[in-house]
Amino acid sequence: GAVVSQHPSRVICKSGTSVKIECRSLDFQATTMFWYRQFPKQSLMLMATSNEGSKATYEQGVEKDKFLINHASLTLSTLTVTSAHPEDSSFYICSTRIPGLAGSLYQETQYFGPGTRLLVL
Amino acid sequence: AQKITQTQPGMFVQEKEAVTLDCTYDTSDQSYGLFWYKQPSSGEMIFLIYQGSYDEQNATEGRYSLNFQKARKSANLVISASQLGDSAMYFCAMREPLSSGSARQLTFGSGTQLTVLP
Repeated sequence: GAVVSQHPSRVICKSGTSVKIECRSLDFQATTMFWYRQFPKQSLMLMATSNEGSKATYEQGVEKDKFLINHASLTLSTLTVTSAHPEDSSFYICSTRIPGLAGSLYQETQYFGPGTRLLVL
Repeated sequence: AQKITQTQPGMFVQEKEAVTLDCTYDTSDQSYGLFWYKQPSSGEMIFLIYQGSYDEQNATEGRYSLNFQKARKSANLVISASQLGDSAMYFCAMREPLSSGSARQLTFGSGTQLTVLP
């Protein structure tokens, strides 16, 4: 079954509006979640690391005031694209770490949500 | 800095045959993790297989196996008995080392588009 859910799966909005994307970990607590962006025919690029109860860590070149991340609980992280513009149209996907047996970090894997396709008109 | 290279933008394979997708990596760390993900046209990233840098045996998961050659810094994915449903984009990824105290995020290669022919 799904380990991570994401909502909405698809959103179309007008330029200048804000869009919120939710990422939920199912059946486990996630202190850290990751937000990626993927443009067509390209690879995934990490945007930010979302930490429960603290500020997100943004990658170089990602505007923290434009891409607001909130990780208020151990099962939910949200990404809000503020004042969206057509160039923000992309596929946004979140992920979370799943520890290995007995909490092994070495065997830790990472599972992804189904993603959100954002189209800004 | 870590780097992942996938040199095959596209690959074709006949149904029921095996195919190898190449992945090389560059790191100076001793402890790291290598992943393969499948991304069908729907966009979801499906975890396929994981190999830890200290694992002496190649990882296997059903029809997927990872040909791990540490000295060559390669982690090729082998798909046996290809099926039409295997047609998708495949990404190789590396996890940051555990010793760095980092968030253990993933760095992705550019991907390989696999097409399985009937």
